Amino acid sequence: QQQVKQSPQSLIVQKGGIPIINCAYENTAFDYFPWYQQFPGKGPALLIAIRPDVSEKKEGRFTISFNKSAKQFSLHIMDSQPGDSATYFCAASADTGNQFYFGTGTSLTVIP
Amino acid sequence: DVKVTQSSRYLVKRTGEKVFLECVQDMDHENMFWYRQDPGLGLRLIYFSYDVKMKEKGDIPEGYSVSREKKERFSLILESASTNQTSMYLCASSFVHTGNTIYFGEGSWLTVV
Repeated sequence: QQQVKQSPQSLIVQKGGIPIINCAYENTAFDYFPWYQQFPGKGPALLIAIRPDVSEKKEGRFTISFNKSAKQFSLHIMDSQPGDSATYFCAASADTGNQFYFGTGTSLTVIP
Repeated sequence: DVKVTQSSRYLVKRTGEKVFLECVQDMDHENMFWYRQDPGLGLRLIYFSYDVKMKEKGDIPEGYSVSREKKERFSLILESASTNQTSMYLCASSFVHTGNTIYFGEGSWLTVV
């Protein structure tokens, strides 16, 4: 059973566009929601993370929107660039546990 | 700088061989993880360890075992490799309290022929 559901599986946008990747979860014990970025041939690296006490977090061109009541969170990439082309994973974890639960990933391609 | 090192980046093994994937972290993290990454399936947890000599099964432990004799080192063992274990394997580590970052190695690409 997938603890974190991620969509879409792939996404193609033009340079300057705003790709949006969505994730949903069921376990209300989750209280930490990171996003990871993975370039080909590399391991995933932390991009940005949010806790449920805020509805939005912004770091540079990357923004997480969080909807606690809907149990959904999303990643927005402003003014997307070809260098943002990568696979993005959402994840969730709970302070009461030791595990991270990952979405299935979104392959983003930004066309020049 | 944070470092999770997977010593073997690319391996080709024959069906039935015993395979060792080694991982070392230099951050004094208590937790270490082995994930398998396949297209369309994301990252699936094989095993994790929260302390030396401790291990817990993840979502897909069948066909795998692990060893953690020292805090910094976590090994994944395929006792008898099969073609359906051809995949990318990712090691990761974190501090014991979740909410801290999980750090990944660069991955080990294993092909079983």
